[in-house]
Order: sequence, then C-alpha cells, then structure tokens
Amino acid sequence: AQKVTQAQTEISVVEKEDVTLDCVYETRDTTYYLFWYKQPPSGELVFLIRRNSFDEQNEISGRYSWNFQKSTSSFNFTITASQVVDSAVYFCALSEVNTGNQFYFGTGTSLTVIP
Amino acid sequence: EAQVTQNPRYLITVTGKKLTVTCSQNMNHEYMSWYRQDPGLGLRQIYYSMNVEVTDKGDVPEGYKVSRKEKRNFPLILESPSPNQTSLYFCASSLSLGLALSEQFFGPGTRLTVL
Repeated sequence: AQKVTQAQTEISVVEKEDVTLDCVYETRDTTYYLFWYKQPPSGELVFLIRRNSFDEQNEISGRYSWNFQKSTSSFNFTITASQVVDSAVYFCALSEVNTGNQFYFGTGTSLTVIP
Repeated sequence: EAQVTQNPRYLITVTGKKLTVTCSQNMNHEYMSWYRQDPGLGLRQIYYSMNVEVTDKGDVPEGYKVSRKEKRNFPLILESPSPNQTSLYFCASSLSLGLALSEQFFGPGTRLTVL
C-alpha cells in the first residue's frame, strides 16, 4: 500500500489562480515528519517545508501555505496567486521516526501555470 | 558552499558491467540516502544510512549495494546492472536531530542508462 498518496497527477491553472495540491499519508507511527519538495524543470529537488506530527498548526510562507490535519491524515499545500515560476513537480514525503527514518515519497503532482 | 555532490552526472553502460556512483556531502550530516526516480513512481528510497557503518534497506534495495565507511561519502554500487535499473538517481543527506531528521539536501542527480 502506498504510504503517501498524491492523487492529482497533473494540474493546470491560469496564472494568479489559487491551487491546492493534496497529500494523504498512512502511518502507525506516533512520531513522524512530513515534507514537501519542489522539482522544477531543471531537475533539482528543493525543500519547501518540514512539519512534525505533534504540530498541527497551519503554516504560511509568502504565497505558500500548508494545512496539516491528523484527523484525515492529510498535509495539503496551497499556492495563492500562482505564477509561471511555480510550474514544477511537487512531492510530498513522510519520515517515520520510530522505524528508523525511512522516507516515503508520493508519486508527485505536476503543476503547470499558464500565463 | 554546503552541497551534496554526485558523480558521474550521466552514465551509459551495458548489462552486467559493475559501476559505482559516488556521493559526497560537506555538511557533516549523519544521515545519507539514495533514491531512484522513475516516471509515474516518484522517488523511491534504495538505501539509507543513519551514520558511519550503519546502513538500512529502503523500499527498492534489490540489485544495489552501499557502504558508509566515512561520514561524508555514501557510494551506490551496482554489481551487475540490468536495464530495469535505468533511472535518475539522487543522493541526499540530512542532519540528525536526536531521533528526527532535518530536511534532506539533495544532490543534482545521476542519469543512468543500462543497455
């Protein structure tokens, strides 16, 4: 079974629209970390956020915001007023502390922002 | 400059010819990891290492070997490569924070083709 599910394979939005990328995870560990990474067309992986399982506060960083809900095992990522530079593949990932910090990545969501 | 380096960046080889992809980090990170990225499958962890002389299997370890003799280096060895190991490989490192990890820093990737 997939530990991290990103059901949206591809999304296209018009510039300035808001877009939410979904991430659902599965774990029995009580202590875990969730991450989002961005992979632009150039191919490198860029860290966006790290959130631990005990901190359910939403986080905002400029146009980016994250909504963590343990009740639904979701860690969704919203880009407000999208820009062409946001076009990339976005990965959600899970690390389980008590099982040795093995990492599980989702299959990614490819976001295209149309000018 | 803090970084993770991988060599080579591109490699074309033939079935059965042993190869090593090197990975080195200059951030004194305890944790290092190898991933492969394939279309539609996201990143999958091959092996990871919590510290020197400690390695663990990830989700897809078959056909790969690793070693961690020094903190900064974590080479990936393919003893007898096969075409199904054609992929984009990423090395990553992160700092240990007690039991947890900081964000992972990724290398630039190695594009491997096995004919």
